[in-house]
Amino acid sequence: DVVMTQTPLSLPVTLGQSASISCRSPQSLVHSDGNTYLSWLHQRPGQPPRLLIYKISNRFSGVPDRFTGSGAETDFTLKISRVEAEDVGVYYCMQAALFPHTFGQGTKLEI
Amino acid sequence: QVQLVESGGGVVQPGRSLRLSCAASGFIFSSYAMNWVRQTPGKGLEWVAIISYDGSNKYYTDSVRGRFTISRDNFRNTLYLQMDSLRVEDSATYYCARRGEGWDYWGQGTLVTVSS
Repeated sequence: DVVMTQTPLSLPVTLGQSASISCRSPQSLVHSDGNTYLSWLHQRPGQPPRLLIYKISNRFSGVPDRFTGSGAETDFTLKISRVEAEDVGVYYCMQAALFPHTFGQGTKLEI
Repeated sequence: QVQLVESGGGVVQPGRSLRLSCAASGFIFSSYAMNWVRQTPGKGLEWVAIISYDGSNKYYTDSVRGRFTISRDNFRNTLYLQMDSLRVEDSATYYCARRGEGWDYWGQGTLVTVSS
């Protein structure tokens, strides 16, 4: 299985500051169709996960441009600019390039 | 708007069966592959299974293969997960998730507890 490794696991931030989460895969997530199926999800307590970013850097509908995904192959980053109170929760990277699809352990962002 | 509503969770004894349903609305269900994902406090998020838009292809994570069956009814706009030979470690909140551009919509989840 592709073990997705996120760092840090805990991320205390100050309102208005930036935050960055790293996600690493032991192997390339480039699919045979040429796409890299690496997504970022956000989960608030008591809520299901919601999609933020798909295919490395594409923001899902309604996601603020404060959220930026970047990276390639095995190394990926989610950057949150100007952190707001509503950004608290757990952030997960996930890969859907290889079976079984796998998730990172989650990064808990706290204000 | 897109809605996914899971049902069928509950408390069940080890070795017994349960069938989860995910009712979809607000989009053309038959055009999308669908996933089941589960979450436990201890193990985080775990992908369980995926089914293609027409039901012709199905993939499972190793721990459920041979015990769980994913299926869909494109006339009823419903996704299913038949869970047989349940184990304590299958206890989790189960989500259905649409595979659009990424896994773009998720249900609220249904809780499954396997306990004697």
